[in-house]
Amino acid sequence: DGGITQSPKYLFRKEGQNVTLSCEQNLNHDAMYWYRQDPGQGLRLIYYSQIVNDFQKGDIAEGYSVSREKKESFPLTVTSAQKNPTAFYLCASSWRGGAETQYFGPGTRLLVL
Amino acid sequence: DQQVKQNSPSLSVQEGRISILNCDYTNSMFDYFLWYKKYPAEGPTFLISISSIKDKNEDGRFTVFLNKSAKHLSLHIVPSQPGDSAVYFCAAHREGTYKYIFGTGTRLKVLA
Repeated sequence: DGGITQSPKYLFRKEGQNVTLSCEQNLNHDAMYWYRQDPGQGLRLIYYSQIVNDFQKGDIAEGYSVSREKKESFPLTVTSAQKNPTAFYLCASSWRGGAETQYFGPGTRLLVL
Repeated sequence: DQQVKQNSPSLSVQEGRISILNCDYTNSMFDYFLWYKKYPAEGPTFLISISSIKDKNEDGRFTVFLNKSAKHLSLHIVPSQPGDSAVYFCAAHREGTYKYIFGTGTRLKVLA
């Protein structure tokens, strides 16, 4: 049963703490993406990766970092430099990147204590 | 600068009637468009797509229309069902990039 999984569903971060959100896909997709959704807003691109060991900044990359060591995995770290991390985080993937459908995971809600 | 706009934050439709969700864009370099449906605290679910070389695409109850000259696309749902109640996002792909620009969404409520 192919799909995208994200964990955890809810995550709490303390001040000054780095936290990592997990994203795994078994769709054999090359491209993976991280988006952030805030209330009343559309999805904004944080980072994307077209291939293993390569990734590019999106529109709001400041305070975030990623890695792509395996095709199936694209974890996102929210660092202490991200001053407003409370949001709903969505991971997506697509075959090659570009003008094609992106498929989304169920999301992780990050809250700051 | 909001390049993709969904100007109606919400829409209510009676069950069985047509729902029409609209999306306007400003960039003529957009070449592919997607519509997603999203329930609260869940990831978006892909509904239907359309390439800029077409003006219509249909899949079951869902039809997307593209008017390139007006830079406008619309999603028609016929007939509307209570399970269609969700937030709908349009997304536009910028040619030559890996980026999609998302609209702010329209909340559809289908009344039984």
